[in-house]
Amino acid sequence: SYELTQPPSVSVSPGQTASITCSGDKLGDKYASWYQQRPGQSPVLLIYRDSTRPSGIPERFSGSNSGNTATLTISGTQAMDEADYYCQAWDSSTEYVVFGGGTKVTVL
Amino acid sequence: QVQLVESGGGLVKPGGSLRLSCAASGFTFSDYYMSWIRQAPGKGLEWVSYISSSGDTIYYADSVKGRFTISRDNAKNSLYLQMNSLRAEDTAVYYCAGGAGANTQFEYWGQGTLVTVSS
Repeated sequence: SYELTQPPSVSVSPGQTASITCSGDKLGDKYASWYQQRPGQSPVLLIYRDSTRPSGIPERFSGSNSGNTATLTISGTQAMDEADYYCQAWDSSTEYVVFGGGTKVTVL
Repeated sequence: QVQLVESGGGLVKPGGSLRLSCAASGFTFSDYYMSWIRQAPGKGLEWVSYISSSGDTIYYADSVKGRFTISRDNAKNSLYLQMNSLRAEDTAVYYCAGGAGANTQFEYWGQGTLVTVSS
């Protein structure tokens, strides 16, 4: 079955840039999406189709996807960005939806 | 304003059954693929099942295949999940979520309903 791998945690200082990776076999051939989940809340769509932000999502969130890795970048990280982040893709061979294991971002 | 409101969660014994519902409003429900996604306590997101906008295409994760049944009623703007033969490992918050297609992102999420399977 298709798997997406994320680092369990990423730490970043306020105002700095955080990068969260999501790895999967030929992930660059698929569309990757990213979700933010703050403690006790439902996930929120941050990025879809690799790099598109829904309306209302701040410009400091950006995404890319190439080869085997998709990356979510948070520029000028703020304390409010402390949350869990999940990547997601669709496996065309099984027609299953796949989530990465999630990355906890800590703003120190 | 888009709303997805789940209900039907609760405490159930192993081997028991439960039916979850999700009431949608604020968007054209019949145009959207709908999914159930769960999150065990302290764990990540796990996709459970999706159903196409018309209801004619359905897929399940291997972990629930044969035990769970997804359905929808577009006239009532509602999504359902019938869960049978429940196991302790099914304990999770269950979210309903909507997207334009099976291979697209989840634009809309509900607040979740907690299912606890325990004796």
